[in-house]
Amino acid sequence: GAGVSQTPSNKVTEKGKYVELRCDPISGHTALYWYRQSLGQGPEFLIYFQGTGAADDSGLPNDRFFAVRPEGSVSTLKIQRTERGDSAVYLCASSPFPGLAGGTDTQYFGPGTRLTVL
Amino acid sequence: AQSVSQHNHHVILSEAASLELGCNYSYGGTVNLFWYVQYPGQHLQLLLKYFSGDPLVKGIKGFEAEFIKSKFSFNLRKPSVQWSDTAEYFCAVNVRNTGNQFYFGTGTSLTVIP
Repeated sequence: GAGVSQTPSNKVTEKGKYVELRCDPISGHTALYWYRQSLGQGPEFLIYFQGTGAADDSGLPNDRFFAVRPEGSVSTLKIQRTERGDSAVYLCASSPFPGLAGGTDTQYFGPGTRLTVL
Repeated sequence: AQSVSQHNHHVILSEAASLELGCNYSYGGTVNLFWYVQYPGQHLQLLLKYFSGDPLVKGIKGFEAEFIKSKFSFNLRKPSVQWSDTAEYFCAVNVRNTGNQFYFGTGTSLTVIP
């Protein structure tokens, strides 16, 4: 079946602009995650949705970052007043389980959106 | 600070050599452990995972990993690597009952020379 998709694949914007990054999870997956991956680093957790609600947004770096998942499927990560330090690959992942044995099961990752802020 | 450490940043091996990539974590409590792999130009994908039971887990493509609780380690191994194993490998930890965050290591780049 179809995997996790993310659009756009690349986004170049100017400092101070607003951007939206979209994630389409695997159909039926209730859990959705956003990560940010900077060059030479592993993915850094941003936010986790269980259904429509943000169950954990403790990884969002500041209030310029916001994410929604209004219908429990597609999610949008929104970044206001972008800064050069926001440049990174933004990864989305979905999982079929909200939590297994109190933790998290396998995540299926999308290809990412490479954001470049000039 | 709590972390996931992958001490080998870049590893270069010849085909048929044995592989061991280190992963240590510093989170307390019960953990779920994962190794993800990213082949050139592809998405991150699961290699193997450990939740409970036998601490030696086997994954795809002949990879295995051993959870040693006393050492807070989850090292990845493969007896004989192939050129197609060239990729970036990430260790990840999920601490049970504290939420659904994944903590990733910085990754190890493996290059296998034919």
